[in-house]
Amino acid sequence: ETGVTQSPTHLIKTRGQQVTLRCSSQSGHNTVSWYQQALGQGPQFIFQYYREEENGRGNFPPRFSGLQFPNYSSELNVNALELDDSALYLCASSRGSKAYNEQFFGPGTRLTVL
Amino acid sequence: AQSVSQHNHHVILSEAASLELGCNYSYGGTVNLFWYVQYPGQHLQLLLKYFSGDPLVKGIKGFEAEFIKSKFSFNLRKPSVQWSDTAEYFCAVNARNYGGSQGNLIFGKGTKLSVKP
Repeated sequence: ETGVTQSPTHLIKTRGQQVTLRCSSQSGHNTVSWYQQALGQGPQFIFQYYREEENGRGNFPPRFSGLQFPNYSSELNVNALELDDSALYLCASSRGSKAYNEQFFGPGTRLTVL
Repeated sequence: AQSVSQHNHHVILSEAASLELGCNYSYGGTVNLFWYVQYPGQHLQLLLKYFSGDPLVKGIKGFEAEFIKSKFSFNLRKPSVQWSDTAEYFCAVNARNYGGSQGNLIFGKGTKLSVKP
């Protein structure tokens, strides 16, 4: 069983640019959640996608957007990058969107904004 | 808003010492509680979880945690740590009636555990 994968591993962008991060969910999982983990902090919930629809959103501005595809893989898009967007972006997949559905995390994408 | 507090940023123990990592949350309603662990170079993985029932829950690798509702706490314990327990530990909460996804997790800042051989 293939686990959650994310690409790219590392990314360097400049302020004002746009970025797309990708996540492949684990086989049999229909839900993807995205988290931002700043240095020295715990992961912070960005949003969740369940069966291709956004199913909840944390306290992030609209320039953070996402998609989920029919194969349940997902993208996180960030427009107009700011220095504070520098962080590790984690994707987690699960069999469903409920709290009792264990979330399996990927290795993350390290984004640096200069 | 909900929040999760982990009291210790970095804990250093010798092998065979007992471990207790503190976690407190702020939410007055029904919660689901989790501990995640991240070993060096590895992904976050679930250590244990509490949804209901016996407030003492057992997880993998000999870890356990106790939910004390009156104290809003969910402390992680292990009687005797090993060098292989060196990792970062995150407490997380999901509030069942909180706005947004039911699967939304609120994490603490994490506690780094270093175990000396």
